[in-house]
Amino acid sequence: EAQVTQNPRYLITVTGKKLTVTCSQNMNHEYMSWYRQDPGLGLRQIYYSMNVEVTDKGDVPEGYKVSRKEKRNFPLILESPSPNQTSLYFCASSLGIGENEQFFGPGTRLTVL
Amino acid sequence: AQSVAQPEDQVNVAEGNPLTVKCTYSVSGNPYLFWYVQYPNRGLQFLLKYITGDNLVKGSYGFEAEFNKSQTSFHLKKPSALVSDSALYFCAVPPLSGGYNKLIFGAGTRLAVHP
Repeated sequence: EAQVTQNPRYLITVTGKKLTVTCSQNMNHEYMSWYRQDPGLGLRQIYYSMNVEVTDKGDVPEGYKVSRKEKRNFPLILESPSPNQTSLYFCASSLGIGENEQFFGPGTRLTVL
Repeated sequence: AQSVAQPEDQVNVAEGNPLTVKCTYSVSGNPYLFWYVQYPNRGLQFLLKYITGDNLVKGSYGFEAEFNKSQTSFHLKKPSALVSDSALYFCAVPPLSGGYNKLIFGAGTRLAVHP
């Protein structure tokens, strides 16, 4: 089944404790991205990747890192999480840019205490 | 700069009535436009897209959208709403070449369909 998977789905952590949210797609997609969704603010793009080893900042990259060492994986790293990073996070992928629709993961709800 | 706007935070419709969720765009060149839906506690799902051709685009779950170039709009419509259509709807401009690499979403419109 074609899908985007994220792990964990739920995470409660404390300020400053490094964490990684994994994202994997099995569709051989080139474009991958991360979003956070906050009430009243909609979806905001954190980082995106056009292909392996090609990443770039979205609209809200501060406090986050990403890597794209393999085509299928695009982990989101929070080196030192803070409470303002409490949010719902979505990973997405698409075959390419332009006319291709995005496939979204199920989301990761992160709480930073 | 590319942008989309959804002027309504919420739309309320009675079941069986037609529904419209509005989207306007500002895009360089010929626009690609998408609609996505987010059901409660779920990720976003693709509904439909306009690339080129017919201005009326049909998508999943009986939804359709009308592309209007003169009004720079791409409104989502359905002839008869169902309670199960209640969800959050996003209009989007996809990443493109030429420096427009980011996917851009509207703020979202919450659709509430009442029995």
